[in-house]
Amino acid sequence: GDSVTQMEGPVTLSEEAFLTINCTYTATGYPSLFWYVQYPGEGLQLLLKATKADDKGSNKGFEATYRKETTSFHLEKGSVQVSDSAVYFCALVSNFGNEKLTFGTGTRLTIIP
Amino acid sequence: SAVISQKPSRDICQRGTSLTIQCQVDSQVTMMFWYRQQPGQSLTLIATANQGSEATYESGFVIDKFPISRPNLTFSTLTVSNMSPEDSSIYLCSVVSPNLGYGYTFGSGTRLTVV
Repeated sequence: GDSVTQMEGPVTLSEEAFLTINCTYTATGYPSLFWYVQYPGEGLQLLLKATKADDKGSNKGFEATYRKETTSFHLEKGSVQVSDSAVYFCALVSNFGNEKLTFGTGTRLTIIP
Repeated sequence: SAVISQKPSRDICQRGTSLTIQCQVDSQVTMMFWYRQQPGQSLTLIATANQGSEATYESGFVIDKFPISRPNLTFSTLTVSNMSPEDSSIYLCSVVSPNLGYGYTFGSGTRLTVV
């Protein structure tokens, strides 16, 4: 079945540091890939997405590239801010009609000033 | 993207009782999804709710424990029945948003504590 393996946290970085959160997946066919963010006390928000190989999703300074050859969708940001502190979830949906999201375990990110 | 109103936002319930969670969407959607997020954990799909048919439950979840209604294309409810402390979680509804290009919108969640 579909699965998402995500870098375990928690991750603690200093402000303006470079961020990478690794995500790899197993899926049938060509899934769509997502990163969701959950700020403290809030629900999930879509951060970015990519629907086909080599697509790059980007939003709020975050980027992730759909790498079919390595089945990866790593999240990156060049300079993190305290306000980026949140839990980040990698997720996929298979394009075979099921339409249910499969989530990774989540990575808690804390940015210290 | 679709906007989802979910309520209640939180509740504290006695064991053995039931709680019904409501999700209202501002546009018509075919499928609605109900997820559970246990403390410190990721999201697990409970069931998929289609209008006019019975919900489809994932392995480990049963209709008697989590009955779902889907009376129309903009509304759904999830009931957590005969609650125990192990049911303490955040429950979220979600829909597919065409405007997000096959992305999913989530409600703000219901934080349930069973005592």
